[in-house]
Order: sequence, then structure tokens, then C-alpha cells
Amino acid sequence: DSGVTQTPKHLITATGQRVTLRCSPRSGDLSVYWYQQSLDQGLQFLIQYYNGEERAKGNILERFSAQQFPDLHSELNLSSLELGDSALYFCASSANSNTGELFFGEGSRLTVL
Amino acid sequence: GNSVTQMEGPVTLSEEAFLTINCTYTATGYPSLFWYVQYPGEGLQLLLKATKADDKGSNKGFEATYRKETTSFHLEKGSVQVSDSAVYFCALRDVTGGGNKLTFGTGTQLKVEL
Repeated sequence: DSGVTQTPKHLITATGQRVTLRCSPRSGDLSVYWYQQSLDQGLQFLIQYYNGEERAKGNILERFSAQQFPDLHSELNLSSLELGDSALYFCASSANSNTGELFFGEGSRLTVL
Repeated sequence: GNSVTQMEGPVTLSEEAFLTINCTYTATGYPSLFWYVQYPGEGLQLLLKATKADDKGSNKGFEATYRKETTSFHLEKGSVQVSDSAVYFCALRDVTGGGNKLTFGTGTQLKVEL
């Protein structure tokens, strides 16, 4: 158990819909990361937050947004969903922003029909 | 930009065989390098790391040496077990633009049979 909690574990929805994925980092970790894992793209970095502030942005679509709240949990919002958004979305956390040692949750599997 | 290239899988080995999974990287400077492992149905876990050239990371019988001359970080294990069956990801730490992210390779699936 990494200490990172993601909900929901599985989500099935239709094209055009909007979903929210939630992540609770390990206790004390200030940095949260979101990654997308798909068969064709592999593991893609989406976005990083550190203590509530956006720190780095990767290949995140404009239809996607994220935020980190004062209690350090984070949410990833995916809107106007397309079939190609079907993937496993991982959240990870780290104690600070100067380490490559990330702790990953078990992921949220999104299926768009 | 920074990138990581891994040997393609799947790799199928018999128990107690020697394992090598190749990983090379392209980066500016000398980034920290990592191997992560993903067991079925789970998130990624850090397996080992190396932060500078010639460092050797090791854990659970796995080893990898940071070779700046060949820009490589190959993963090795002398005797694999069935429980080592998983997907292995090589990664580098990218701090471009003040952020902190890991750039991963495509992953190599390892299957160990009795």
C-alpha cells in the first residue's frame, strides 16, 4: 500500500460527459502528479501541483483541468469526453518537489463508450 | 526533449534465468534515473534509482548502473523468480521549467515461468 488513495477505481461513461477523479496523497506529501496510461501512448505526464500551486504541465488537453485543495487532495476533471480518453489515470505524490521518488496510487480506470 | 527508450517486450524467462532489460536515455545534462515496477492491478513502485554517473542502484536483487558514456541504465538480475513477473519502466527526472516530473519509457513486460 503506497498510501495514495484514488477514487473511483473504475468509471464507465459516455462520450461528451464530464467526470472527476479524486486523489488523496500520502500523509505529509505536498506534491501531487497526474499521469495517463494508455496502450498506445504509454505513461504520459499530465500535471504537477505543489502545495496548491501548479508547478509543471505536460501533455494535458484543454478539456482536462486539475487542482490541489488546501487539504492537499487533488482532483482531475475530464470534460467533453472522447473514446480516446479511455485510459488508466494515476495519481502520485512526493514529499517535496525535488525528488524522483514518487508514490503511485492504484489508478482510476476510465472507460468512455 | 528528454526521452527514454526501453527494449520492447514481452520478455519470457525461466525461473533462475539471468535478466537484462535495456534502457537508454536522451537528456540535457545528467538527470537522475529510475526503474519502476508495476505488478498486475497495481500502481507503479520505485524499484531502484541512481542520481549521478557511475552510481549503481540496487534493490531486491535487481541492479542498474548509470553509464553516462553510453547514456544507459540497464536493469539486471542474476536469478529471476516467478514473483518478478511484472512490467518494468525506466524513467528519468525532468526538471525543465522548474517543475518535477518523470519521463517514462514504454515499459517492458517480464513473464517468468517455472
